[in-house]
Amino acid sequence: AQSVTQLGSHVSVSEGALVLLRCNYSSSVPPYLFWYVQYPNQGLQLLLKYTSAATLVKGINGFEAEFKKSETSFHLTKPSAHMSDAAEYFCAVSESRGGADGLTFGKGTHLIIQP
Amino acid sequence: DAGVIQSPRHEVTEMGQEVTLRCKPISGHNSLFWYRQTMMRGLELLIYFNNNVPIDDSGMPEDRFSAKMPNASFSTLKIQPSEPRDSAVYFCASSPAGNEQFFGPGTRLTVL
Repeated sequence: AQSVTQLGSHVSVSEGALVLLRCNYSSSVPPYLFWYVQYPNQGLQLLLKYTSAATLVKGINGFEAEFKKSETSFHLTKPSAHMSDAAEYFCAVSESRGGADGLTFGKGTHLIIQP
Repeated sequence: DAGVIQSPRHEVTEMGQEVTLRCKPISGHNSLFWYRQTMMRGLELLIYFNNNVPIDDSGMPEDRFSAKMPNASFSTLKIQPSEPRDSAVYFCASSPAGNEQFFGPGTRLTVL
């Protein structure tokens, strides 16, 4: 069975500071990993995905994540936070390419940007 | 493209009533997923379809829940009878084969 753990239900950073959202996964097979963002009262939007190619994955809005097999981690980072980054972020894992068999999500991290 | 369309966006009903949530996937996508989001349990996969065929419904919480996909452009999730603990946001997502899932805006269900 696969699972995802997101450390920190709330993360607060100052505008312009580094954003680091943590995600650790458990999977019995090489995983496919995803980060989604959810703005209030909206659906989820894909930020980036790891599909066993490059371990450093670049996504939209300046976000990137690095797959580290030895640490079973897929942390999300952004060098400089912007007020518009305030949202809920979800890490997800799938054992099938693209999440074809459905995604298993973490509980989410609420990112707060302080002016 | 209009994206994944869900209706209604909000639904308030009383315990014991039947509730039907609707989803129109993106044209050309052959996979469709239903998820439920609650504060306590987060986002959970309920059921998914490939080419209109239900593949895995192990996430459906009880027999009160049922889902259908009569054609490639329409799916329903039905709860009968509804209970207060079914209150949640229900998301539909679709994807082309082996690629990312695109989520709809969700239906916020409140069962009184």
